[in-house]
Amino acid sequence: DTAVSQTPKYLVTQMGNDKSIKCEQNLGHDTMYWYKQDSKKFLKIMFSYNNKELIINETVPNRFSPKSPDKAHLNLHINSLELGDSAVYFCASKPWGGTEAFFGQGTRLTVV
Amino acid sequence: QQQVKQSPQSLIVQKGGIPIINCAYENTAFDYFPWYQQFPGKGPALLIAIRPDVSEKKEGRFTISFNKSAKQFSLHIMDSQPGDSATYFCAASMIQGAQKLVFGQGTRLTINP
Repeated sequence: DTAVSQTPKYLVTQMGNDKSIKCEQNLGHDTMYWYKQDSKKFLKIMFSYNNKELIINETVPNRFSPKSPDKAHLNLHINSLELGDSAVYFCASKPWGGTEAFFGQGTRLTVV
Repeated sequence: QQQVKQSPQSLIVQKGGIPIINCAYENTAFDYFPWYQQFPGKGPALLIAIRPDVSEKKEGRFTISFNKSAKQFSLHIMDSQPGDSATYFCAASMIQGAQKLVFGQGTRLTINP
């Protein structure tokens, strides 16, 4: 009965590959986010969707493409992976107009 | 203007001590200030949050102090325990709209037994 679940938890891949991370929430929330946590643990917003509509798109390389097939799911596809993409990626969700954001357990992406 | 500055980067306190973590923000449009706690291998989890219309909020052993004029807020942990050892993040956002969280740099807190 995990609230926000991400798959996979770990991802090791070679430079140049394309990979996807999936996120699902069972909280009935309208708004979902992707955050990136770098090696210094700094957390930064990447994208946000509300009811399948993209509402935040920070200055992220266009190799990153989020997709929300429905309001319970938010996926992140990354093309042509680079060494600098190595980080922990967190999915989060919250109700629109609410305040508390619930985070998944993270996906540790390592590009070699 | 979107930055939140957090200090210290790391903090070691004896059990029972009162660690204090400080944050400062620039954007006066921010009106929601949460603190998140993160254990190794886990996602951040909301610990306590405050709105700028109050100067202090307590939940159990955790207290936020808020100084609107100075644009600063801090987290105090009373009677700290080894189980409180974690990384703590302050954040700020605007209640209206998409409410993206702008995080501080994080504080790695160690409570020694």
